[in-house]
Amino acid sequence: LAKTTQPISMDSYEGQEVNITCSHNNIATNDYITWYQQFPSQGPRFIIQGYKTKVTNEVASLFIPADRKSSTLSLPRVSLSDTAVYYCLVGPVGYSSASKIIFGSGTRLSIRP
Amino acid sequence: EAGVVQSPRYKIIEKKQPVAFWCNPISGHNTLYWYLQNLGQGPELLIRYENEEAVDDSQLPKDRFSAERLKGVDSTLKIQPAELGDSAVYLCASSLDSDNEQFFGPGTRLTVL
Repeated sequence: LAKTTQPISMDSYEGQEVNITCSHNNIATNDYITWYQQFPSQGPRFIIQGYKTKVTNEVASLFIPADRKSSTLSLPRVSLSDTAVYYCLVGPVGYSSASKIIFGSGTRLSIRP
Repeated sequence: EAGVVQSPRYKIIEKKQPVAFWCNPISGHNTLYWYLQNLGQGPELLIRYENEEAVDDSQLPKDRFSAERLKGVDSTLKIQPAELGDSAVYLCASSLDSDNEQFFGPGTRLTVL
């Protein structure tokens, strides 16, 4: 099972770039890496997903090295509204009764003015 | 487009009582998930449905928990009897299929007294 490890918390300031790293040493060949954001009293919200190298969308970038044993979520120019818990999720692509979707412990990101 | 709908949003019951949670996924989404989230922790998958078939229920405590997804649309998660340790937020999510991002509902916060 692909367990993930993330920093418990991070602090930054508005306008800065924030990088959150997730370790997943036992990632399987058919596992994708997905990041979710969660605000209090809400369900998690999808941010970005990738398999290898680099993925970028309008919200964030995801960097995945060749060995895929870690990944880094990069949030450019954060604002106060980016204060949330960020989860690294490693799970299979497609139907697989032998696989299990596991959320990480989450990183509590606090953005200060 | 309506998101994932869950009801009730909050539920308070006494231990040993039964409780049921309802989830209406996004229209057209074949995959439905139930998660349990304890305070300060990431969501833990309880069960995943592909249409009406439960394809991953290895983490569902089957002695007291049950779930169904009749007709492959709405789903109900039941606990009978509830225990103090069941107090948590129960999240429902759906996706087009298991390859795609999950959309989460707001969750049901259960308090067992």
